[in-house]
Amino acid sequence: ETGVTQSPTHLIKTRGQQVTLRCSSQSGHNTVSWYQQALGQGPQFIFQYYREEENGRGNFPPRFSGLQFPNYSSELNVNALELDDSALYLCASSLALAGGPGHEQYFGPGTRLTVT
Amino acid sequence: AQTVTQSQPEMSVQEAETVTLSCTYDTSESDYYLFWYKQPPSRQMILVIRQEAYKQQNATENRFSVNFQKAAKSFSLKISDSQLGDAAMYFCAYRSASNNDMRFGAGTRLTVKP
Repeated sequence: ETGVTQSPTHLIKTRGQQVTLRCSSQSGHNTVSWYQQALGQGPQFIFQYYREEENGRGNFPPRFSGLQFPNYSSELNVNALELDDSALYLCASSLALAGGPGHEQYFGPGTRLTVT
Repeated sequence: AQTVTQSQPEMSVQEAETVTLSCTYDTSESDYYLFWYKQPPSRQMILVIRQEAYKQQNATENRFSVNFQKAAKSFSLKISDSQLGDAAMYFCAYRSASNNDMRFGAGTRLTVKP
């Protein structure tokens, strides 16, 4: 197993609500990426944080936002939840130099979000 | 935009045999990285192997090797001496050298028969 942890494991929310997912990076890693994995599909890149700044974003609306803290842990916030937001949310940490693509990403176990 | 295609939703292999998983990608860039990730049921996604586009030599990691054909934009994974523990979803992924957007294929579910 990797040293990346995520909480909570599972979450059920109602459409329109807001949710916060958390990720703890592997020790020594300074970069966190977030992915959305819908059932039966590959992960889709949401965004990446490097040293507390957003450093790349995929094709997701602004209601998906994030934070990275000085200890490099991270949060993913989703506002105004929609049914299609139901998915497995993965975070991955890596060690990047000067904001570049970084080395191999180590994934957490994910948070399963269900929106009803 | 870069896309990654895995044309085999499911594959099956007999234990101890060899299996090849296919992946093609579309890009106009010359510098990029390619990856194969394994996602066992209800377990964390782990990196199997990676290939830098500028390297002509195919990457190898123990029983796992790739066939990287840059001109054809093909990146297949060969698993030799398949083991029961190899059963999982396998994802091919692409990442540009100039940004942090990692693109994944839809995955191939590999079953290993004893």
